[in-house]
Order: sequence, then C-alpha cells, then structure tokens
Amino acid sequence: EPEVTQTPSHQVTQMGQEVILRCVPISNHLYFYWYRQILGQKVEFLVSFYNNEISEKSEIFDDQFSVERPDGSNFTLKIRSTKLEDSAMYFCASSPSVGQPQHFGDGTRLSIL
Amino acid sequence: QKEVEQNSGPLSVPEGAIASLNCTYSDRGSQSFFWYRQYSGKSPELIMFIYSNGDKEDGRFTAQLNKASQYVSLLIRDSQPSDSATYLCAVNGGTGGFKTIFGAGTRLFVKA
Repeated sequence: EPEVTQTPSHQVTQMGQEVILRCVPISNHLYFYWYRQILGQKVEFLVSFYNNEISEKSEIFDDQFSVERPDGSNFTLKIRSTKLEDSAMYFCASSPSVGQPQHFGDGTRLSIL
Repeated sequence: QKEVEQNSGPLSVPEGAIASLNCTYSDRGSQSFFWYRQYSGKSPELIMFIYSNGDKEDGRFTAQLNKASQYVSLLIRDSQPSDSATYLCAVNGGTGGFKTIFGAGTRLFVKA
C-alpha cells in the first residue's frame, strides 16, 4: 500500500538555526499538508498546498515557516530561526482531492535545544 | 475560531463491549468528517470518514453524522485491547475545505 514518507525521523537543532523537514507524498495525491503536534497536545493544522501554491494556512504558519515542492516528488517544510517552542512532532499528509481522507506520514520529531 | 470538541476521557470499556466516542464541531459549513486512531508516539491512522447525514459502517466501526446537531460519533463494536488508543475527530472546513481541524482526542482503554 502506498504511503507518505518523512525524513528525518528525528531532528535535533540549536535554537536560531533553520531546519528543513522533508516529505514524499503518495504519488497520485494532489493535496499536501503539514501538521504539528506538541507533546501531549492536539494535532494542529499548519498549511495545505495544491498546484504549487498554498491553499490555506493557519495562524501558526507565520513568516517563520515556508513550504515548497522543489521537484515532482518532495514536499518540504522550512522553519527559520527556530525557537524552543517549535519542538514538536511534525506530520506531513496527502490526499487525492480536497475533502478526501488524508494519509499521514510517520512524522519528524523536531527537538530544539 | 472553528472548534472541534471531544471528551478527553479516558473511556474504559471491557473487552467485547461497544465503545462510543463523540465529537461536536462549530463550523456549520464543514463537509467532511474523519476519525483517526493514534497510538502513543505514532502518527494518526485513518479509521473512518463520512460526508452525509446518517450512519456508515465498516467492519466493527460505525460512524454517525448529524449535521443539524453538528455532531459526529464513532461506535466500535466487539472492542479489543488492541483498540486501546486515542481517537481523533477531524473536520474539514475553511474556505474551500482546505483546512482540517482536529479535536484533542478521546483516550480509550479496552480492558481484557
């Protein structure tokens, strides 16, 4: 069964540094998403992406964050000037179309020191 | 602020019983509704999705939707210890339906 893959599984970074989280969505899916889950808290929507542009973003997704589809398979989340409170699990998801079920990757655990 | 509310639990049921999980949402324009299961330290796993009012059954799982009451529920029949997890209700909303809001989840314990 096709799956969403995310790399790395764990990223440790010094505060103030930039990180790039990578995702390979399911190949025939057209909609891509990033979510964040701080330990013990709920899954929070960050951004949705379709046709090489952001469809919608949450209030969390400020100028510190950006997304990109640099080639035909990868979908990345860049976090600039990382802060301690950016420590969380970041999930990538994809769906065939809007409103259809999203399939999640295993996540990247981001630890900011 | 669009909200999805769930009872945090824990909900404890004996093995073989029916577990009933509930969710309410605030955005009347929501069109798609999902139930995910999340084991500790793992990613959300899709269990059920429902778009229309009424019931939808898949194996031991039944999703129920009542848009007038803005209420979604998940029934798990013949509960097994392996069903012990956090169940997340998720609702698609926002302009164009590109934004998915998750509830905080209900922790379910199935006692052997």
